[in-house]
Amino acid sequence: AQSVTQLGSHVSVSEGALVLLRCNYSSSVPPYLFWYVQYPNQGLQLLLKYTSAATLVKGINGFEAEFKKSETSFHLTKPSAHMSDAAEYFCAVSPTGGGNKLTFGTGTQLKVEL
Amino acid sequence: SQTIHQWPATLVQPVGSPLSLECTVEGTSNPNLYWYRQAAGRGLQLLFYSVGIGQISSEVPQNLSASRPQDRQFILSSKKLLLSDSGFYLCAWQGRGVINYGYTFGSGTRLTVV
Repeated sequence: AQSVTQLGSHVSVSEGALVLLRCNYSSSVPPYLFWYVQYPNQGLQLLLKYTSAATLVKGINGFEAEFKKSETSFHLTKPSAHMSDAAEYFCAVSPTGGGNKLTFGTGTQLKVEL
Repeated sequence: SQTIHQWPATLVQPVGSPLSLECTVEGTSNPNLYWYRQAAGRGLQLLFYSVGIGQISSEVPQNLSASRPQDRQFILSSKKLLLSDSGFYLCAWQGRGVINYGYTFGSGTRLTVV
């Protein structure tokens, strides 16, 4: 069984500051890991995914995440926040291989302030 | 390319009325299909998933049902809506090949039961 824990349901940063959204996973098998972003009244959009290749994964909109097996973490970062980054972010885990069901975290609402 | 269509975008229905939400996928065959609900402040709740025509798995006992009459069509229904059925409903598809992972979400349906 897999699970993810997103620490902090709400995160607030200043525009231009570092964004760090935390995700820790639990998995009995090697995992695939994902970050999704959801803007108000829209569906979820894939930001990036880790699928057993490079541990540092770069995604869209300047986001990246690093898979750290020793820490069972997959934190999402962006060097400089922009107002347009304000959204809800979901971490998800699945077993390796295609067609496996994802388990989502509870989400982190990111607020970007001037 | 693959696309997913979900409609309607918004819906206001009285308590006790029926519901039918439709989701269709183009550009792929034999996808896994999912229905999720987001209630205010409660994250993503998996309602149903389907790995093939007529094959429906229910994750949560509730007032809703799902059907998959065609390979790329997934329908969410209710005979009598409750106030607690209000929320944002999301459909997602997933490829089933060995290189397919992660979900692609539709744009969602905002359901308000009054």
